[in-house]
Amino acid sequence: DQQVKQNSPSLSVQEGRISILNCDYTNSMFDYFLWYKKYPAEGPTFLISISSIKDKNEDGRFTVFLNKSAKHLSLHIVPSQPGDSAVYFCAASALSGAGSYQLTFGKGTKLSVIP
Amino acid sequence: DADVTQTPRNRITKTGKRIMLECSQTKGHDRMYWYRQDPGLGLRLIYYSFDVKDINKGEISDGYSVSRQAQAKFSLSLESAIPNQTALYFCATSDSGGPYQPQHFGDGTRLSIL
Repeated sequence: DQQVKQNSPSLSVQEGRISILNCDYTNSMFDYFLWYKKYPAEGPTFLISISSIKDKNEDGRFTVFLNKSAKHLSLHIVPSQPGDSAVYFCAASALSGAGSYQLTFGKGTKLSVIP
Repeated sequence: DADVTQTPRNRITKTGKRIMLECSQTKGHDRMYWYRQDPGLGLRLIYYSFDVKDINKGEISDGYSVSRQAQAKFSLSLESAIPNQTALYFCATSDSGGPYQPQHFGDGTRLSIL
């Protein structure tokens, strides 16, 4: 059963507009959330994160919002640029039974920014 | 040079063969991980290691083994490869010191088992 869900496999946005990528989770033990960006033939790269004690974190054009009651987070990219075209993975961290923190990844959303 | 290097980048092999995927890092991180990515399934954790003497199973460790030869090296082995192990494999590293350290990924090994 998927604990981290990205229900939109793909998203197309015009250059200059806002991109909103969504992520839902089911495990209430998740206490840290991360977004990764992946270009073809490259590994995922860390983009931005948020602790469960916050509801917003901003880094330049990227903002992540967390709604704990809804178990929902979103990544906003404003303004969107063609170089933002990539697959975006949502990931969540929780303490495992072995006493270590592990990441659980969503399936990813492919963002295409159209010039 | 890449901070996290995976070799080989691509490998095609036959069912039943033994395969080793290697990962080395220059980031000085204690923690290393192996993931696999299948189409439409995101990344799933195979094994992880928090230091040279520490090896832990992840979500999907069956059919795999690992070796942490040094702080900088973590290899993944498929003792007898089977076609459903065809996937994209990623190695990652992270710093120690709490749960909130981002993981840094290599560029992946595309493995095809015929």
